[in-house]
Amino acid sequence: AQSVAQPEDQVNVAEGNPLTVKCTYSVSGNPYLFWYVQYPNRGLQFLLKYITGDNLVKGSYGFEAEFNKSQTSFHLKKPSALVSDSALYFCAVRGNTGGFKTIFGAGTRLFVKA
Amino acid sequence: NAGVTQTPKFQVLKTGQSMTLQCAQDMNHNSMYWYRQDPGMGLRLIYYSASEGTTDKGEVPNGYNVSRLNKREFSLRLESAAPSQTSVYFCASSLRGTGYLAGAYEQYFGPGTRLTVT
Repeated sequence: AQSVAQPEDQVNVAEGNPLTVKCTYSVSGNPYLFWYVQYPNRGLQFLLKYITGDNLVKGSYGFEAEFNKSQTSFHLKKPSALVSDSALYFCAVRGNTGGFKTIFGAGTRLFVKA
Repeated sequence: NAGVTQTPKFQVLKTGQSMTLQCAQDMNHNSMYWYRQDPGMGLRLIYYSASEGTTDKGEVPNGYNVSRLNKREFSLRLESAAPSQTSVYFCASSLRGTGYLAGAYEQYFGPGTRLTVT
């Protein structure tokens, strides 16, 4: 069965510091991995995805994520956090067996302090 | 290009009432989805439609029905609402690849419907 774990309910970081939001997954076969961001009272917005190829994936707003197959992780990173990055972040996974069921993590709330 | 639109934005129902949540997308996407979002639980898939004319159950289908009316529209119906269905409901859509890339595309989400069942 597919599953996603986001071990931190909340991450606090000072503006200008690097940030990391953690995600680990379990899936049969090779994974498709996604990060989404949700601002208050809005729907989710796509940030980036890993399908195949380079383990370091770059996405919107300066975010990137590193796929680590041996550790089954897909951590979201940004070199320098902005106050406007404060939001709820979701990691999601699909197997590559042709299915459409995406499993979302519970979400991590990021607070960036000025 | 409006993306994914949902109506209504807010709704209050009494236990046992019925209602239909409407969703439409103008991105020519093949696949559409309904999720519910509850605090601390992320998003859970209720139903999805991989392509026009097909629908399948997700993780939490009980108490819901769906209709893929055409390529653009995918509605979610609550036949007899229960307090446990109080949630925020999101519709999403995506392209559909072929073969092993069938599920490789990201989803685009609507703004959500906040439903309260008393």
